[in-house]
Amino acid sequence: QLQLQESGPGLVKPSETLSLTCTVSGGSIDLNIDYWGWIRQPPGKGLEWIGSIYYSGSTYYNPSLNSRVSISVDTSKNQFSLKLTSVTAADTAVYYCARHVYGDYAPARFDPWGQGALVIVSS
Amino acid sequence: DIQMTQSPSSLSASVGDRVTITCQASQDIGKYLNWYQQKPGKAPKLLIFDASNLQIGVPSRFSGSGSGTDFTFTISSLQPEDIATYYCQQYDNLPLFTFGPGTKVDFK
Repeated sequence: QLQLQESGPGLVKPSETLSLTCTVSGGSIDLNIDYWGWIRQPPGKGLEWIGSIYYSGSTYYNPSLNSRVSISVDTSKNQFSLKLTSVTAADTAVYYCARHVYGDYAPARFDPWGQGALVIVSS
Repeated sequence: DIQMTQSPSSLSASVGDRVTITCQASQDIGKYLNWYQQKPGKAPKLLIFDASNLQIGVPSRFSGSGSGTDFTFTISSLQPEDIATYYCQQYDNLPLFTFGPGTKVDFK
């Protein structure tokens, strides 16, 4: 059974870089055509897709975050990672990683999800 | 960009009630819509993909329909464990994968 687990600092200072890693277990990150994605949820608010990556390194990023976000993959560790630069309080959220399952012609649905990691941006 | 709206934003129902949530896209997205359930303090869970396909392991009381711009999510008989927030998500507007604002379902 595929499982994902987020890890990283729970507190980041404003203007610094948020870094999170997602470790995939129960399956190989480079086994098929699926992508691997990051989604976030500010406290009490809705879901926002951040970006997704294929094991080869091909990426999709949310245009609203594109200038600040970078997603990378390490197939040897079965992990993928998120970096978000120049963070502000508005980046405070629960960050989820998920398998981005390929559909008819592109990544489509998110399943399964990690349990989420709360990251607070504060000095 | 495609905008997603959901209605209602919240609803109260009783055990056994039929619950219907609608999701509307600002432009035609074909069948490319998914539905998720998020219980408090938990990660979202995929219930329906491609508008009407039930994810493996999801109870058959959940269903989805629609295409184009108008989609419906239905719980045929509300159960206590169905109390959650439900989100739609489109994937026809690359490179942007957009979620709806959510519909909170609780007991009357």
